[in-house]
Amino acid sequence: QKEVEQNSGPLSVPEGAIASLNCTYSDRGSQSFFWYRQYSGKSPELIMSIYSNGDKEDGRFTAQLNKASQYVSLLIRDSQPSDSATYLCAVGGGATNKLIFGTGTLLAVQP
Amino acid sequence: EAGVTQSPTHLIKTRGQQATLRCSPISGHTSVYWYQQALGLGLQFLLWYDEGEERNRGNFPPRFSGRQFPNYSSELNVNALELEDSALYLCASSFRTLLDTQYFGPGTRLTVL
Repeated sequence: QKEVEQNSGPLSVPEGAIASLNCTYSDRGSQSFFWYRQYSGKSPELIMSIYSNGDKEDGRFTAQLNKASQYVSLLIRDSQPSDSATYLCAVGGGATNKLIFGTGTLLAVQP
Repeated sequence: EAGVTQSPTHLIKTRGQQATLRCSPISGHTSVYWYQQALGLGLQFLLWYDEGEERNRGNFPPRFSGRQFPNYSSELNVNALELEDSALYLCASSFRTLLDTQYFGPGTRLTVL
């Protein structure tokens, strides 16, 4: 089992729709959870961090954390073509003493 | 406030040579992390430095090494370069712990011929 798993996609959604990105992790001791966006050839940029169970909203983005199910998700409302990128889930604070990244989900927003 | 900076932007080397990559963290950050991202692959953790000490190391051979200087900047050295070392090398910085957000620099694209 991979330490952090994401569906590689591509996930294709029409402009204005909600995009739902999912991530599962294996280390129950994990304490910090992050979503990054990475455009092709560029470095990752932080979208959101979440540390507690429940939802956290920031503009069009909502992160959801369920530690019991070892599951993190990111919802993007009113998706725009500029949201088309690879979204990386990262999990840290666990036994491995490092931040572990999933392989990313490629999101394509169709105009 | 300046973000994480990395130099050089691009680096071309031949097999067997050594490469040195540099990173300056965000002011106030004491931790520096190095990642390798080969084409089409995810971010692979290389090294974590904090307060001048190596805190953790990923599953890479010893020819990947680095250090952190008193001003918290960092250097990644790759000896005896191999073709498969060609990748984007990303540096990130954070406050001390792994609970803190890591902010990434623009990366150094290393090409080994």
